[in-house]
Amino acid sequence: AQSVAQPEDQVNVAEGNPLTVKCTYSVSGNPYLFWYVQYPNRGLQFLLKYITGDNLVKGSYGFEAEFNKSQTSFHLKKPSALVSDSALYFCAVRDSGFQKLVFGTGTRLLVSP
Amino acid sequence: DTGVSQDPRHKITKRGQNVTFRCDPISEHNRLYWYRQTLGQGPEFLTYFQNEAQLEKSRLLSDRFSAERPKGSFSTLEIQRTEQGDSAMYLCASSLVTSATYEQYFGPGTRLTVT
Repeated sequence: AQSVAQPEDQVNVAEGNPLTVKCTYSVSGNPYLFWYVQYPNRGLQFLLKYITGDNLVKGSYGFEAEFNKSQTSFHLKKPSALVSDSALYFCAVRDSGFQKLVFGTGTRLLVSP
Repeated sequence: DTGVSQDPRHKITKRGQNVTFRCDPISEHNRLYWYRQTLGQGPEFLTYFQNEAQLEKSRLLSDRFSAERPKGSFSTLEIQRTEQGDSAMYLCASSLVTSATYEQYFGPGTRLTVT
């Protein structure tokens, strides 16, 4: 069965500092990995994905994520955080044999001025 | 390019009533998904369609839930005899089946409150 773990309920970072939001996954086949962001009372907005290829993937708004197969991790990163990055971030995985996305419980990112 | 739209955005209903939600996917997308999100949780998969065919249903989709996608365009999700436990955000997403596209694009959701 597919599963995703986001070990931190909340991450606090000062504006201008680098940020990391952690995600680990479990799938039986090849993983397709995604990060989404959710602002209050809004749907989910796609940030980036890893399907195959380079382990470092770049996405929207300066975000990037590093795929680590041995550690089954897909951490979200940004070199310099903005206050406007404050939101709820979800990691999701799709097993290569299935269509549905399985989401983690989300990590709230709070960037202070 | 318009995104995924959902209607209504909010619905308050009394326990035992039936409700129906609508989702309009991105126009060229042939896959459509329904998810449910409760407070403090990530979205949970309910069902998905490829064109008009409903190909997978989650165990979360009890007999009171039914989804349709006539003509492979918009979709409706109906909940009969609503219960307080049905209170949640119902999210619709769509995607295009190509070899290079895997991400799902989400609508703004319909927030259901059952009183």
